[in-house]
Amino acid sequence: TQLLEQSPQFLSIQEGENLTVYCNSSSVFSSLQWYRQEPGEGPVLLVTVVTGGEVKKLKRLTFQFGDARKDSSLHITAAQPGDTGLYLCAGSNAGNNRKLIWGLGTSLAVNP
Amino acid sequence: SQTIHQWPATLVQPVGSPLSLECTVEGTSNPNLYWYRQAAGRGLQLLFYSVGIGQISSEVPQNLSASRPQDRQFILSSKKLLLSDSGFYLCAWSVQVRVGGYTFGSGTRLTVV
Repeated sequence: TQLLEQSPQFLSIQEGENLTVYCNSSSVFSSLQWYRQEPGEGPVLLVTVVTGGEVKKLKRLTFQFGDARKDSSLHITAAQPGDTGLYLCAGSNAGNNRKLIWGLGTSLAVNP
Repeated sequence: SQTIHQWPATLVQPVGSPLSLECTVEGTSNPNLYWYRQAAGRGLQLLFYSVGIGQISSEVPQNLSASRPQDRQFILSSKKLLLSDSGFYLCAWSVQVRVGGYTFGSGTRLTVV
């Protein structure tokens, strides 16, 4: 069974701080996605990474896919209260283009 | 542009009552459709997915069922709700999940009392 482990589970920081959250697995994924979910809403796709070692930037967010395509990280620079939410990673198996394997998420609170 | 509508936003139902949650997608044809449940604001549990009209795959044996009567309509149902059915239900669609991911609806908060 493929699993994605996210760490930390909870993170509370002050506005302006930097942070990194992780998504790790012992399995190889053909792609990995990051979503952000705000309370009472559905998750929203932030980025998809498909190539080992790939780095993508979305404003203050930097996403990296591990060289072996087993892990990923999300780094936020100068966090803002608007970054508060649940960050979920999800992996795609090369043999299945319909379903994703989900991590349990990192709940981030950025305090003003 | 593609949009997804899910309703109602919140629902409080007594134990033993029936359930019907509806989800519709606009702006795309033949999408893959999904029902997820999320407990306590954490991970997502896939309940059902559908690759076409009348085609339903069940991921978890439970008190729920799903139907897809039209290409862009997905319905989650129960004949008799249990307390354990409480949760946040999310509908989603995708075309190629590997690169395009899911687009989620805004969710239904179901509380069974």
